[in-house]
Amino acid sequence: DTGVSQNPRHKITKRGQNVTFRCDPISEHNRLYWYRQTLGQGPEFLTYFQNEAQLEKSRLLSDRFSAERPKGSFSTLEIQRTEQGDSAMYLCASSLGGPSSDTQYFGPGTRLTVL
Amino acid sequence: GNSVTQMEGPVTLSEEAFLTINCTYTATGYPSLFWYVQYPGEGLQLLLKATKADDKGSNKGFEATYRKETTSFHLEKGSVQVSDSAVYFCALRSGGSNYKLTFGKGTLLTVNP
Repeated sequence: DTGVSQNPRHKITKRGQNVTFRCDPISEHNRLYWYRQTLGQGPEFLTYFQNEAQLEKSRLLSDRFSAERPKGSFSTLEIQRTEQGDSAMYLCASSLGGPSSDTQYFGPGTRLTVL
Repeated sequence: GNSVTQMEGPVTLSEEAFLTINCTYTATGYPSLFWYVQYPGEGLQLLLKATKADDKGSNKGFEATYRKETTSFHLEKGSVQVSDSAVYFCALRSGGSNYKLTFGKGTLLTVNP
């Protein structure tokens, strides 16, 4: 199966530590998205890449958050100096691109718990 | 800005009952509309979509019609099964170069045998 994969699936960390998550999109998908989902809410957009270029960032993405997609394939999301409010499910999605191919396919998510 | 409002849950039904989950939206331009489903312990999966007014999306017995005049995209199924128990999310993607999805809060559906 060549769906979107995310690692790790779960991460528990102490407040103030840095964490990094990885997303591997469906191969040949040139668009990649990060979302955050808290309990009882729908996913909220964080950032979006087309190939290696980061084209949009939400105001939710404070300066403690950084995302990269260095070769236009996998992506990483790093959170520095984690806070308890960062506890959430972090979702990655990818899409092929083009006006008729705008369907985003989601990975299983990384659940972050900040103690 | 864009927003999606969907029916508050939880919704509890008996097997073979009729399901409606209401979804209305606010958006600029002509958005594409989606229903995603999240089964227990699994990731979000696309259930169906519609890209223009009056289009009907359908999959696995679920249907939703894009109604521009009422800015709605209600999800329906004629006869639910226990296996349909999940959280359902309505979402929109606005046109132009902004490809992000805007989601509703989700509706938890529980179907009892």
